[in-house]
Amino acid sequence: DAKTTQPNSMESNEEEPVHLPCNHSTISGTDYIHWYRQLPSQGPEYVIHGLTSNVNNRMASLAIAEDRKSSTLILHRATLRDAAVYYCILRDLSNTGNQFYFGTGTSLTVIP
Amino acid sequence: DAGVTQSPTHLIKTRGQQVTLRCSPKSGHDTVSWYQQALGQGPQFIFQYYEEEERQRGNFPDRFSGHQFPNYSSELNVNALLLGDSALYLCASSLGVQASYEQYFGPGTRLTVT
Repeated sequence: DAKTTQPNSMESNEEEPVHLPCNHSTISGTDYIHWYRQLPSQGPEYVIHGLTSNVNNRMASLAIAEDRKSSTLILHRATLRDAAVYYCILRDLSNTGNQFYFGTGTSLTVIP
Repeated sequence: DAGVTQSPTHLIKTRGQQVTLRCSPKSGHDTVSWYQQALGQGPQFIFQYYEEEERQRGNFPDRFSGHQFPNYSSELNVNALLLGDSALYLCASSLGVQASYEQYFGPGTRLTVT
């Protein structure tokens, strides 16, 4: 699986949008982009995933660059409950193992 | 609809002992993966079970073994415990093994080896 690069930490003010970047310059055409987050003392939680087009769900939006070498997770209005470590993960469609290779993620701090 | 459940929540063992951790997948899911998460690190993949067989394995020694039962629940066994095995052990379930499928994680079992 291709590697991803994320900033170690980010801060956001409460009720403001947050853009969490992820670089994946070696992504292949069959890699899905997944985002998970892990709140303190909990297991990781699915946020969103996509392949080529931008995706929206009730939690967030995923913006995928046209060349797919980077993506951005967008939280439209950060709340204190969004403080977590966010992981950007690539999964190869041709690899049927479906395991995830986590990096160290981005630790998001939300300031009241 | 119950999510992924794991037991026990916490466990303290001594070096050299053996431990068994248990996981029940989300209702309707048939695939279980196990991860180890050391303090301050991201989860590391141990192995995955589907149709009662180990399908994929990460870079973990043979001291780590598992099992999946006909009801899709799973166990993780660790023999000859080392201090370095102290970690949060996470179980994740999914429907099938396709890369597009999201995984649902349990709250984990905190293992402390003394």
